[in-house]
Amino acid sequence: GENVEQHPSTLSVQEGDSAVIKCTYSDSASNYFPWYKQELGKRPQLIIDIRSNVGEKKDQRIAVTLNKTAKHFSLHITETQPEDSAVYFCAASKTGNRGSTLGRLYFGRGTQLTVWP
Amino acid sequence: DGGITQSPKYLFRKEGQNVTLSCEQNLNHDAMYWYRQDPGQGLRLIYYSQIVNDFQKGDIAEGYSVSREKKESFPLTVTSAQKNPTAFYLCASSQQGSANTEAFFGQGTRLTVV
Repeated sequence: GENVEQHPSTLSVQEGDSAVIKCTYSDSASNYFPWYKQELGKRPQLIIDIRSNVGEKKDQRIAVTLNKTAKHFSLHITETQPEDSAVYFCAASKTGNRGSTLGRLYFGRGTQLTVWP
Repeated sequence: DGGITQSPKYLFRKEGQNVTLSCEQNLNHDAMYWYRQDPGQGLRLIYYSQIVNDFQKGDIAEGYSVSREKKESFPLTVTSAQKNPTAFYLCASSQQGSANTEAFFGQGTRLTVV
């Protein structure tokens, strides 16, 4: 099966600085890579995702890059704010057809991001 | 209000008892999942179901059981065989067979064995 590694496990940055979280995956057939943010005591929520047919995607202060050859993808948060403090999870999956075993998400262990004011 | 709902939010269980966690979704999603979350361990998959009346074991299925009799519902039973059941349990759903496989999570159930 797929194995997703995520680093670092904790990350502290000053408000306004950038934060980068990196993930690697093992299955070259994986083609969908979402990132989830989980605030303390709340449910994980999708913040951005990327598919294997693109190398980079941006949404305001958040961007994700994907290197298929090296099998790694990264989350970049610029101009960090205290409300960005949360646990971030990367994941990988293979999208597929109804009834197949594809589509299951494999998660990394998470990164606790703390943004100091 | 569409979404995925877990109940209860907090649950206490005595050792040796079975307990069932509820998960209901009105998103018309085919696939549903149960994850267990422990500090520093990320999200570990317990069971998942991609269609009614069918489900598969995840990575840590021992001591758990599920059923999928209806598309909207995917209850998880934590049995007495689960040696360390105290954890935060998350249910999720997603639509299979489409270009968008975003998983939507419930608000979680925190189970404590007393």
